[in-house]
Amino acid sequence: DTAVSQTPKYLVTQMGNDKSIKCEQNLGHDTMYWYKQDSKKFLKIMFSYNNKELIINETVPNRFSPKSPDKAHLNLHINSLELGDSAVYFCASSQGAGFSYEQYFGPGTRLTVT
Amino acid sequence: KQEVTQIPAALSVPEGENLVLNCSFTDSAIYNLQWFRQDPGKGLTSLLLIQSSQREQTSGRLNASLDKSSGRSTLYIAASQPGDSATYLCAPRSGANNLFFGTGTRLTVIP
Repeated sequence: DTAVSQTPKYLVTQMGNDKSIKCEQNLGHDTMYWYKQDSKKFLKIMFSYNNKELIINETVPNRFSPKSPDKAHLNLHINSLELGDSAVYFCASSQGAGFSYEQYFGPGTRLTVT
Repeated sequence: KQEVTQIPAALSVPEGENLVLNCSFTDSAIYNLQWFRQDPGKGLTSLLLIQSSQREQTSGRLNASLDKSSGRSTLYIAASQPGDSATYLCAPRSGANNLFFGTGTRLTVIP
């Protein structure tokens, strides 16, 4: 009964490759997010989608492209992976895009680029 | 831009003690603030959401307070247990629906 799930949990790949991380939520939420947690454990928002539409796009290299096929899914595709992309990526969701809504997080995907 | 500081960075207490974790933020124009716990290698678990109009929010042994004007929030944990050992993160929400995270306080409760 996982509320927010991510696959894969671990991803090890070489520089220059293209990879995707998938996220699904079964909470019926309208809004989904991607966060990046770097080696210093600092979490920073990357993207936010509401009803499949992009509403937040922080300063992220355009090698990162989110895709939302439906409200329950928000996938993250990364082109031409670099060493600095190594981090833990968290997906989250909330009932709406409004400020009062609590965000629920997935377990994270640990990406290691070698 | 919002900056969030959590003090202390690490805390070790014997089981049964009450403790307070501190969070300060630079932009007081927040909508709410969320406290999370993160277990090693795991995701974030939401503990409490406190709206900007509220001063306190309680859940079980946890109590979060918010002083928006001074840019401070505290998380009080009563009668700590070894299972409380985790990293605690505070995240005020401001701007375009952004959660800004602090670097957390790593709590160890010693049996």
